Amino acid sequence: EIVMTQSPATLSVSPGERATLSCRASQSVASNLAWYQQKLGQAPRLLIYGASTRANGLPARFSGSGSGTEFTLTISSLQAEDFAVYYCQQYNDWPLTFGGGTKVEIK
Amino acid sequence: QVQLQQWGAGVLKPSETLSLTCAVYRGSFSGYYWSWIRQPPGKGLEWIGEINHTGSINYNPSLKSRVSISRDTSKKQFSLKLSSVTSADTAIYYCARGRTQTSWFDPWGQGTLVTVSS
Repeated sequence: EIVMTQSPATLSVSPGERATLSCRASQSVASNLAWYQQKLGQAPRLLIYGASTRANGLPARFSGSGSGTEFTLTISSLQAEDFAVYYCQQYNDWPLTFGGGTKVEIK
Repeated sequence: QVQLQQWGAGVLKPSETLSLTCAVYRGSFSGYYWSWIRQPPGKGLEWIGEINHTGSINYNPSLKSRVSISRDTSKKQFSLKLSSVTSADTAIYYCARGRTQTSWFDPWGQGTLVTVSS
């Protein structure tokens, strides 16, 4: 099983600032990496797939990068609606696995 | 746009069988893989398994001995059964669409909280 590790567990950021979230895979997943945003009481929402392709309608302030084992989700200027938990997911091999999440909170 | 709506029993006793169904609205059932994913309260996400319209199935080995996923293409529905539940199976269960086998998920159902308690 491919283990996905996200860091940090919690990220405190002021509105308007940049947020950088990391995701590491225990073995290469090529570019088969997705990012999701989950707000309290809601289902996860797809943000990024293919490591760097934004989902339909996603604001350009969200960007994904990386390949192999190291990935980054960057939110260039945090808006109020961006404070949430973010998960990465590999789909290179079964079982499909998720990282433990990064909570982005207001500083 | 495609929408997933799910339902099923929310409270179970230990050793009972969890049963959930997810219906696909305003979209095709063919050509995609349909997954179940769960999330224990306050914790992360665990993929349970997937099925496509032909009945091709993949399960998470950690749950394989207790899980069964099926589909009814005429109703555009797919279902999850998890046997011999314990308190460790208490979670929000989501259905979700994958573009292919081994895929990202979009969209997701609204989630169903299943609580296992004696």
